[in-house]
Amino acid sequence: NAGVTQTPKFQVLKTGQSMTLQCAQDMNHNSMYWYRQDPGMGLRLIYYSASEGTTDKGEVPNGYNVSRLNKREFSLRLESAAPSQTSVYFCASMSGVEVVNEQFFGPGTRLTVL
Amino acid sequence: AQSVAQPEDQVNVAEGNPLTVKCTYSVSGNPYLFWYVQYPNRGLQFLLKYITGDNLVKGSYGFEAEFNKSQTSFHLKKPSALVSDSALYFCAVRDSKGGYQKVTFGIGTKLQVIP
Repeated sequence: NAGVTQTPKFQVLKTGQSMTLQCAQDMNHNSMYWYRQDPGMGLRLIYYSASEGTTDKGEVPNGYNVSRLNKREFSLRLESAAPSQTSVYFCASMSGVEVVNEQFFGPGTRLTVL
Repeated sequence: AQSVAQPEDQVNVAEGNPLTVKCTYSVSGNPYLFWYVQYPNRGLQFLLKYITGDNLVKGSYGFEAEFNKSQTSFHLKKPSALVSDSALYFCAVRDSKGGYQKVTFGIGTKLQVIP
């Protein structure tokens, strides 16, 4: 049981380049989330998917797109990277819809945009 | 809108002493409250949660948290700190009136336990 996995662990991009961050969970969770973590700002929600086939914007969605490929996988795409997107990105998942459950987090992807 | 405040950027405590990490929240409905811990270069790990019932919630690694509705607080506590407790701690809240399980995190408090 791997939990939530993310690839890659580290990435350096040049301004304007694109990339996709991959996330997968093996816990059969319905909900999946993408956060970014910046010093002094905590975790901010980028996008979330309440269930397979649905995605919605979070607090800071500009410059990002997401795909809920299936129940297991939720990817985050940067179409044209900017230095302001330098951050640590975390994927999380959570079971259930009506019950109040905790989130399970992946190990993170450290992204630097030059 | 829901929000969480962690008023201390850093808390220093001597090993063996009790520790408290503070958290206050604001929601329009009833709060669902969480504490997570983050060790260096790792993802967040769940410690404990309050949904309803007893105001004192016990969680992993000997941590507990006290829910105080009148003060809108959910402080994290431990009777005797260990050096291995040194980490970044996040408080989080979900509003019972939220329609999509949106969780708002605080900015985090760095706990430093001094040997």
